[in-house]
Amino acid sequence: ETGVTQTPRHLVMGMTNKKSLKCEQHLGHNAMYWYKQSAKKPLELMFVYNFKEQTENNSVPSRFSPECPNSSHLFLHLHTLQPEDSALYLCASSRLITDTQYFGPGTRLTVL
Amino acid sequence: AQSVTQLDSQVPVFEEAPVELRCNYSSSVSVYLFWYVQYPNQGLQLLLKYLSGSTLVKGINGFEAEFNKSQTSFHLRKPSVHISDTAEYFCAVLEVTGGFKTIFGAGTRLFVKA
Repeated sequence: ETGVTQTPRHLVMGMTNKKSLKCEQHLGHNAMYWYKQSAKKPLELMFVYNFKEQTENNSVPSRFSPECPNSSHLFLHLHTLQPEDSALYLCASSRLITDTQYFGPGTRLTVL
Repeated sequence: AQSVTQLDSQVPVFEEAPVELRCNYSSSVSVYLFWYVQYPNQGLQLLLKYLSGSTLVKGINGFEAEFNKSQTSFHLRKPSVHISDTAEYFCAVLEVTGGFKTIFGAGTRLFVKA
């Protein structure tokens, strides 16, 4: 148990749907991250929030929209996705931005 | 880090044999180095990390890694692997600059055979 939970674990959506991924941590961490993990590719950092402020946006398309309402929760809002967006989306948190990251189990997203 | 290279995408090895998973990076600034492991259907978890001090770092499950600054490498080793070590291993580099950005390698799949 890493203390970082993600829901849902699996999601299938059409290209016109709107859905949200949720990440929650009760570790008292101040930094939270969204990563995209695709087969045979390096883990891609998408967004970083540090003390609820977005500090990193790695040229992610606008069809992905993050939200960090408080230091324990992180959302990834999805709309009009493409099939190539199908991947495992991992959330992580760390006490400070330079510390070890603790990962959730991920959400396996399939876009039809 | 401009890049993190894990030289082997897959490493098959027999149980109780030694293993080395290679990681090289390119960076012109100070870095922190990490190895994470991902078991099937799970998120990543930390194996070990190098921040400063001794260049030989020991982690969980009998793994260790050595930071070689001149070769910009951080290879992971284990003297005797178990079936349960079968997993994906990721090397990661955090540049200690204004952005504090972590970059991950593509991963190495370790497959331990009986």
